[in-house]
Amino acid sequence: QVQLQESGPGLVKPSETLSLTCSVSGGSMRNYYWNWVRQPPGKGLEWIGYVYQSGSAKYNPSLKSRVSMSVDTSKKQVSLELSSLTAADTAVYYCARRREYFDSTLDAYDIWGRGTRVTVSS
Amino acid sequence: DILMTQSPSYLSASLGDTVTITCRASQSIAKYLNWYQQKPGKAPQLLIYAAFALESGVPSRFTGGESGTDFTLTISGLQPEDFATYYCQQTYGIPVTFGQGTRLDIK
Repeated sequence: QVQLQESGPGLVKPSETLSLTCSVSGGSMRNYYWNWVRQPPGKGLEWIGYVYQSGSAKYNPSLKSRVSMSVDTSKKQVSLELSSLTAADTAVYYCARRREYFDSTLDAYDIWGRGTRVTVSS
Repeated sequence: DILMTQSPSYLSASLGDTVTITCRASQSIAKYLNWYQQKPGKAPQLLIYAAFALESGVPSRFTGGESGTDFTLTISGLQPEDFATYYCQQTYGIPVTFGQGTRLDIK
């Protein structure tokens, strides 16, 4: 059973860069897109972006200038960096696997990590 | 961005009831529509993918429907564990977007 575990600092200062890691266990990283989704306190879900095993990535245009994602298949890890942090970046950050269905024509996020809470504050 | 509008935002129902949550897309998204359930302090869990398909292990009382750009999630015979927040998600366009959520509470 594939499991995802996010890790990173719980508290970061404004203007700094957040670095989070998602560790994948119990299965292969091959042929999957790995996503980051965040949820501010008491609010809904926001897609940050995804990265493929090849390293190619797509980001939410609203965050594109500040986001970078990478994958290390040898360590079975996915990384997220988010720069120039403000209080608006305070959220629970989730890692999620995108699974493809029906000959790769449709997709959904079938496995999620438990999330890691990040607070941006001085 | 494709806007996903869920209704209602809040729903109160009793055990055994049947409820329907609607999600309207701002443009055609074919069947690129998924439904998730989220309980407090937990990660979202996939219920329905591709508008209609039931994810493995999800009870059959959850059903998905579609009519053009309107999508529905119906829960038949509410169980105690169904009281949660539900989100729709479109994966047709970038950025991927979610509905604002529907909170289902016990009456």
